[in-house]
Amino acid sequence: DTAVSQTPKYLVTQMGNDKSIKCEQNLGHDTMYWYKQDSKKFLKIMFSYNNKELIINETVPNRFSPKSPDKAHLNLHINSLELGDSAVYFCASSQIPGPAYEQYFGPGTRLTVT
Amino acid sequence: DQQVKQNSPSLSVQEGRISILNCDYTNSMFDYFLWYKKYPAEGPTFLISISSIKDKNEDGRFTVFLNKSAKHLSLHIVPSQPGDSAVYFCAASESTGGFKTIFGAGTRLFVKA
Repeated sequence: DTAVSQTPKYLVTQMGNDKSIKCEQNLGHDTMYWYKQDSKKFLKIMFSYNNKELIINETVPNRFSPKSPDKAHLNLHINSLELGDSAVYFCASSQIPGPAYEQYFGPGTRLTVT
Repeated sequence: DQQVKQNSPSLSVQEGRISILNCDYTNSMFDYFLWYKKYPAEGPTFLISISSIKDKNEDGRFTVFLNKSAKHLSLHIVPSQPGDSAVYFCAASESTGGFKTIFGAGTRLFVKA
């Protein structure tokens, strides 16, 4: 059983479109995250939810909107996609928020905007 | 502004030898450090961590050393195995700074058989 799953694994779309990436974890964790890995390979935190409450909201464009319908799911919706949004997006979860708690990552979603 | 730096993009080591991956950080408020390992087409997986109250943590073949005065940590893998070939990310966070974990850009390790 996959602990943290993401769909789709690959997403190719045109500029201006709206797309969503879904994430589910079956670990019973309270906290979930979205990271973006850009062309320079840095993993940068975008959002984090704890018990469906937003606790981290980094400086990302308003076109990105996370939604957490329950503790096990954290989806990422992106409006009006731009070329610069091309990246690999990773979902992660941890038992609770905090630096000492390791995060479990999904396999990533490679988004290509043409 | 990169708060966590892994200055070596890649490292090649012979099987059986020691692999040493380095990481530097700039934020003196960081008090917890983690290493993650990533294979292609997979997400990062947790490897080992260290709190700032320690200077060494060991787990099997993996040891992490922390030098707070130099703001430097390193991951030692002994002996290195071909299955260790992966990208290794250094990460840091601060207890009082919210829940963010800052990642470095990673070092790709090649272990040659």
